[in-house]
Amino acid sequence: EAGVVQSPRYKIIEKKQPVAFWCNPISGHNTLYWYRQNLGQGPELLIRYENEEAVDDSQLPKDRFSAERLKGVDSTLKIQPAELGDSAVYLCASSLNSLHGYTFGSGTRLTVV
Amino acid sequence: AQSVAQPEDQVNVAEGNPLTVKCTYSVSGNPYLFWYVQYPNRGLQFLLKYITGDNLVKGSYGFEAEFNKSQTSFHLKKPSALVSDSALYFCAVRDFTGGGNKLTFGTGTQLKVEL
Repeated sequence: EAGVVQSPRYKIIEKKQPVAFWCNPISGHNTLYWYRQNLGQGPELLIRYENEEAVDDSQLPKDRFSAERLKGVDSTLKIQPAELGDSAVYLCASSLNSLHGYTFGSGTRLTVV
Repeated sequence: AQSVAQPEDQVNVAEGNPLTVKCTYSVSGNPYLFWYVQYPNRGLQFLLKYITGDNLVKGSYGFEAEFNKSQTSFHLKKPSALVSDSALYFCAVRDFTGGGNKLTFGTGTQLKVEL
């Protein structure tokens, strides 16, 4: 079984540029999460999807961040425009439902210069 | 809100010795506690969880954790450490606050196992 697939693995962009991350969860997993992990810290939830519905986006900075999961399968997370403080690892995770354990992807390391 | 604390930024232990990585929790209601491990440039891997039942939980790679309600702790342990156990370890709690459902992580503990 393929795990949670994220791309790209690394991204370096200049500030004020847009950037997008992609996640393909484990097949059949209805719940998808995006987390952000700053250097030296634990991951923090940005948004949770149940199928195609964003059921918890309270931690998503909506002025510059957006996410979608149109068909309830893969998902994209976008930042526009990026700021220096957005440099972090962006982790995607999925689970069968919100009560099951998570499987994390390898993450996308974003560096904003 | 639910939270966990990992008081040690780094733990050093010699290979073959027992290891303990500490975690304390603060929750309202019953705690759902987890341990994850993160190797360099990798995502988080699930080690074990406590939902209910026996206070000693066994997980992957020979790790176990002891749930202690009176001390509000959930320390990760392994009887004999390996150099390959060197990684970043995170304690986490399932947080249902405000109708949400997420894992709230601690700040992580870097484990270094030396020969």
